[in-house]
Amino acid sequence: DTEVTQTPKHLVMGMTNKKSLKCEQHMGHRAMYWYKQKAKKPPELMFVYSYEKLSINESVPSRFSPECPNSSLLNLHLHALQPEDSALYLCASSQERRGGRNEQFFGPGTRLTVL
Amino acid sequence: DAKTTQPPSMDCAEGRAANLPCNHSTISGNEYVYWYRQIHSQGPQYIIHGLKNNETNEMASLIITEDRKSSTLILPHATLRDTAVYYCIVSVNAGKSTFGDGTTLTVKP
Repeated sequence: DTEVTQTPKHLVMGMTNKKSLKCEQHMGHRAMYWYKQKAKKPPELMFVYSYEKLSINESVPSRFSPECPNSSLLNLHLHALQPEDSALYLCASSQERRGGRNEQFFGPGTRLTVL
Repeated sequence: DAKTTQPPSMDCAEGRAANLPCNHSTISGNEYVYWYRQIHSQGPQYIIHGLKNNETNEMASLIITEDRKSSTLILPHATLRDTAVYYCIVSVNAGKSTFGDGTTLTVKP
């Protein structure tokens, strides 16, 4: 299984809502990532988990809260978002080999619209 | 991580080779060159990576110059389905690196 799955595919939420994005992989990867991608822009790294511990937070606002319940699952909890947070949210996973060859496998993304 | 420079767009005729350049003049000795592509509205897809030597797989070939300051991704027989944004990333660990603006490749019939 070389697939990263993300749910839901689409999400519309109001600024007062609380929602969660989910990501799952069964490739035994020990690194998992959240990216945000605005239209016609490259993906921007948000968070990195390594061995289920948060290793990188790219100064993301606290209204985004990541969680890694186990090595296969990654969640992104959303609360009090702003319309400018509307974007494609991508999850990825990779091995954690030293010395390279840590190519990432990406999910299809969740298209988020904040009203 | 080293910064990369790619042309914003390129066209290629269907069936011809597509050669996508990437400049990474500040690359350091332990940094790999990774290539990904993103077809419209899908997640990025890993294509190939290399350190010093040229590499080939079922999708593409990667040519890295001897001084490692630039590289070229070659799609040998481009098809319409290869139309995508192609990203060149230089990093010790691809997962903790930054995507640049990439090259939008349009394959035309």
